[in-house]
Amino acid sequence: GENVEQHPSTLSVQEGDSAVIKCTYSDSASNYFPWYKQELGKGPQLIIDIRSNVGEKKDQRIAVTLNKTAKHFSLHITETQPEDSAVYFCAATSYGGSQGNLIFGKGTKLSVKP
Amino acid sequence: NAGVTQTPKFRVLKTGQSMTLLCAQDMNHEYMYWYRQDPGMGLRLIHYSVGEGTTAKGEVPDGYNVSRLKKQNFLLGLESAAPSQTSVYFCATWVGRVNEQFFGPGTRLTVL
Repeated sequence: GENVEQHPSTLSVQEGDSAVIKCTYSDSASNYFPWYKQELGKGPQLIIDIRSNVGEKKDQRIAVTLNKTAKHFSLHITETQPEDSAVYFCAATSYGGSQGNLIFGKGTKLSVKP
Repeated sequence: NAGVTQTPKFRVLKTGQSMTLLCAQDMNHEYMYWYRQDPGMGLRLIHYSVGEGTTAKGEVPDGYNVSRLKKQNFLLGLESAAPSQTSVYFCATWVGRVNEQFFGPGTRLTVL
């Protein structure tokens, strides 16, 4: 089955700097890669996703890149702000055969220092 | 719209006790999921349902049972709680096709 590795487990940056979180997956059949943000005491919330037919996707300060050959995808946050502090999870799945079952990475705790 | 709600928010059990966690959704989504979240372990799928009256095992189903008698509700049961089941439990729903899963606010369970 699918296995998702996520690095780093913790990341501390200064406000205004960029943050990059990386994930690798094992199942070449995976075709959907969402990123979730979890704030303290809340459930995860989707912030951006990418499908296997796209190499990069941007939404304001966040972007995700996908390298299908290497089976890795990354989250990029530019001009970080204190409100970006949270735990971020990557995930992977193969829509069409897995009932939407997401396989999650173990999470990255991002701290943005003012 | 309330989205996905979970009841209760917090619960403390003694070893061997039983309880049921309720997940309710008002989005008319077919798919519903129960995850557990443990420090350093991410989110792991316990059980899921692809529609009313159906259930299936996920990655870590042992010690849990589920029921989906109504489309809008997904129940997670612990028949005999163990300290290893101390965790934060999240329910999620999915409309199907390529789209996001919506998560509830979580239930923090402690088993003493």
